[in-house]
Amino acid sequence: AQTVTQSQPEMSVQEAETVTLSCTYDTSENNYYLFWYKQPPSRQMILVIRQEAYKQQNATENRFSVNFQKAAKSFSLKISDSQLGDTAMYFCASNTGNQFYFGTGTSLTVIP
Amino acid sequence: KAGVTQTPRYLIKTRGQQVTLSCSPISGHRSVSWYQQTPGQGLQFLFEYFSETQRNKGNFPGRFSGRQFSNSRSEMNVSTLELGDSALYLCASSFGRRVEEVYNEQFFGPGTRLTVL
Repeated sequence: AQTVTQSQPEMSVQEAETVTLSCTYDTSENNYYLFWYKQPPSRQMILVIRQEAYKQQNATENRFSVNFQKAAKSFSLKISDSQLGDTAMYFCASNTGNQFYFGTGTSLTVIP
Repeated sequence: KAGVTQTPRYLIKTRGQQVTLSCSPISGHRSVSWYQQTPGQGLQFLFEYFSETQRNKGNFPGRFSGRQFSNSRSEMNVSTLELGDSALYLCASSFGRRVEEVYNEQFFGPGTRLTVL
């Protein structure tokens, strides 16, 4: 079975600052995708960013970027210029076929 | 394009009862996955249906079951409810085909909040 580990249950960051959320995963597959999902207090889960394992270049979406270390099986999310709307639960996930595997989440609070 | 919809949004039941939750995926999506979300456990995978067949199953007791219809809509049933079944139940849809889209993202519904008294 695949496992996804998020070791930071809670984090906080000052508005406009940068924060990094950690995620490690375990897979024996060569081809897989990694995702970061965001779940704001309203509960609708939305995709933040995704990374294809065979691509060396780290994915970037505006203020969100990842640091993908394939050998270390690490997939961290960096949020730059944090905004109040970034306050949410963040879930790291992997997909190696039909099934997604999620971490337990990191609750991020952006402090004004 | 309409998103994933789940009904009902909120549900209150008592122990021993059964409940059925419904999920309508995004048009064109054939894969529907169900998750149980609780504060301490995160997202726990229940099962995934693709083209009316259960393709993957998580580690939940047989009281949890599901099905998928020909229009890809899915239902999840929990029988003999227990207090510990209180949770947010999330449904997610994706294309789910085993071609290049197999690794695409899942799109989540708003969830059904189930409270068991």
